[in-house]
Amino acid sequence: AQSVTQPDIHITVSEGASLELRCNYSYGATPYLFWYVQSPGQGLQLLLKYFSGDTLVQGIKGFEAEFKRSQSSFNLRKPSVHWSDAAEYFCAVGMNYGGSQGNLIFGKGTKLSVKP
Amino acid sequence: GAGVSQTPSNKVTEKGKYVELRCDPISGHTALYWYRQSLGQGPEFLIYFQGTGAADDSGLPNDRFFAVRPEGSVSTLKIQRTERGDSAVYLCASSKGSGTEAFFGQGTRLTVV
Repeated sequence: AQSVTQPDIHITVSEGASLELRCNYSYGATPYLFWYVQSPGQGLQLLLKYFSGDTLVQGIKGFEAEFKRSQSSFNLRKPSVHWSDAAEYFCAVGMNYGGSQGNLIFGKGTKLSVKP
Repeated sequence: GAGVSQTPSNKVTEKGKYVELRCDPISGHTALYWYRQSLGQGPEFLIYFQGTGAADDSGLPNDRFFAVRPEGSVSTLKIQRTERGDSAVYLCASSKGSGTEAFFGQGTRLTVV
């Protein structure tokens, strides 16, 4: 069965420090991979996505993620965290209906806190 | 509209009652998704529409849950005989179609008392 695992429930980093949020997936076909961010009282916002091609994907707000097929991973990174990055981050796999994207399967999320 | 609109933003209902949650997708978006997010969890897929038809309803938990999209635009999620375990935030998303970004609404927080 398809699944997404985010092993870290809560991470705290200092402002200006680098960040890596882990995501592992289980999916039989070529995955569509996504990272979303959810701030309190806000909707889910797409940070970046991987469909094919270059395995290093650049997103908004200075985030990037790298798809590693051999490790079934799609970790999210940012070189220098800002206080405004404090939020909950969700990794998701998009179902592949013969090349068409269907519904998303989300991980349980990682809550990021940022220390001043 | 400018974004995905969900109404109401909050709904409190008594156990056993019937509720309807509405989603207005972004104009022109053919794909529409419903998800449910319980406290401390990631969104859980419920149903996916392509146009007027349900392309995948495998996430609906039981036959108390039903969704429609009669004209391929607005969708309504219907829950019969609500239970306390149905309490969650119900999220709607829409996209232009295959392989494109899905935009999420702010959600409807349903509380069953």
